[in-house]
Formats: sequence, C-alpha cells, structure tokens
Amino acid sequence: DAGVTQSPTHLIKTRGQHVTLRCSPISGHKSVSWYQQVLGQGPQFIFQYYEKEERGRGNFPDRFSARQFPNYSSELNVNALLLGDSALYLCASSLYRRRTNEKLFFGSGTQLSVL
Amino acid sequence: SQQGEEDPQALSIQEGENATMNCSYKTSINNLQWYRQNSGRGLVHLILIRSNEREKHSGRLRVTLDTSKKSSSLLITASRAADTASYFCATDRAQGGSEKLVFGKGTKLTVNP
Repeated sequence: DAGVTQSPTHLIKTRGQHVTLRCSPISGHKSVSWYQQVLGQGPQFIFQYYEKEERGRGNFPDRFSARQFPNYSSELNVNALLLGDSALYLCASSLYRRRTNEKLFFGSGTQLSVL
Repeated sequence: SQQGEEDPQALSIQEGENATMNCSYKTSINNLQWYRQNSGRGLVHLILIRSNEREKHSGRLRVTLDTSKKSSSLLITASRAADTASYFCATDRAQGGSEKLVFGKGTKLTVNP
C-alpha cells in the first residue's frame, strides 16, 4: 500500500511568489495535517483538515491556507513568500480526526527554498 | 512554540552501545510519542506511551514516562549504524479539538561503526 505522498519533493521560489504543495494521504485516511520544519528544529503544526473542513490551525499568518478535496488529498498554499518560509513542509495523515493514542503517518516532505 | 525539549541535542556513540535520549514537556498530556527522522525527510513513528503508563518496550526500544516530572526517556539498546537519525518526542495535549502533535527540537544521534 502506498504511504503518504507529497509533491513536489523540492521547490525553489523567490520572495513574493506563491507556492502550492500537494499531499495524498494513505488510502482510507480522512485526516490530513500539515507541519513546517525549519532546519534544526522540530516540526510545527500548521493545519489539520478532516472531512474537508479545517479542524485546527497553528500560529501561522493568513498567508498560509489549505484545503482538502473529496478524495481526502490536500493542498497547502503560501502567498507572498518570505525568506523565513524556507523549510521542509511535512504532510501527515491519520484515520480519524482525533482519537487518543493515534499515531501520524508522515510523507517525505517538500523542501521549499525561498531566495 | 515547542512543547518538548530533548536532551541532549546531539549524541555520538559506538555501535553496540546504548543510547538514551530525554524529553521534557510543559503541559498535561494524553500521550507521548517518539518519532525518528532520517536526513531531514519524513518522520516515522516509533512508539507511543499513554499518560497512565510508566514504561513501554518495542524491540530494542524502551520508553519511560514520568508525568510528575513531565519527562520521558527513550533508550535504544545495542545500537546499530542504521539507528543514526534525529529523534523527536511529540506530545498530544490533554485538551483541544484537533489532532495536533507538539514536537520538541530533537536529538541527533550518530552511531559510529
């Protein structure tokens, strides 16, 4: 079975541009979460989507947005890119929205470089 | 903000030795999980320990949890070069409606052959 897939794997953008990152969860998983990992730090929560609705949002500016499609895949959009947005963006899926003691399955991430 | 803090930040050992990593956190939790990350790529779940558990084993991994001290430790026994990776603890808070994990900064483990 395929795991969580993310595309693209690498991306180079310039300041002020817009970027769209894509994620396909494990088949049957209805929840998708996005995390940002800056070099040398742990992942930080950006969004969670479940059944196509936003269920949680981390401390990120409105330049960050996301959506989930009927097939449970998801897109993360970042507008007006800043140098500080350079990071590894990780997508994670799980079966449920929230169930105590449930683990997350992560994709390999998209490495975004903003020049 | 980061919930957990791993200690040490970096650890270098020889193959066959044991590796111990510690994690401290700040708020009440439902559970604590440990993840592994190779070369800055995706994270892989290793083990989960519930807030009412004190110790858990999985293969060469042993995790302890002390909720009174808000701390956890991950022990990898008989380490191998393939264990070289970054290890993160992540907490699932006791309150909140979304499935949000709060990660620490990680411990970078190097196992020398």
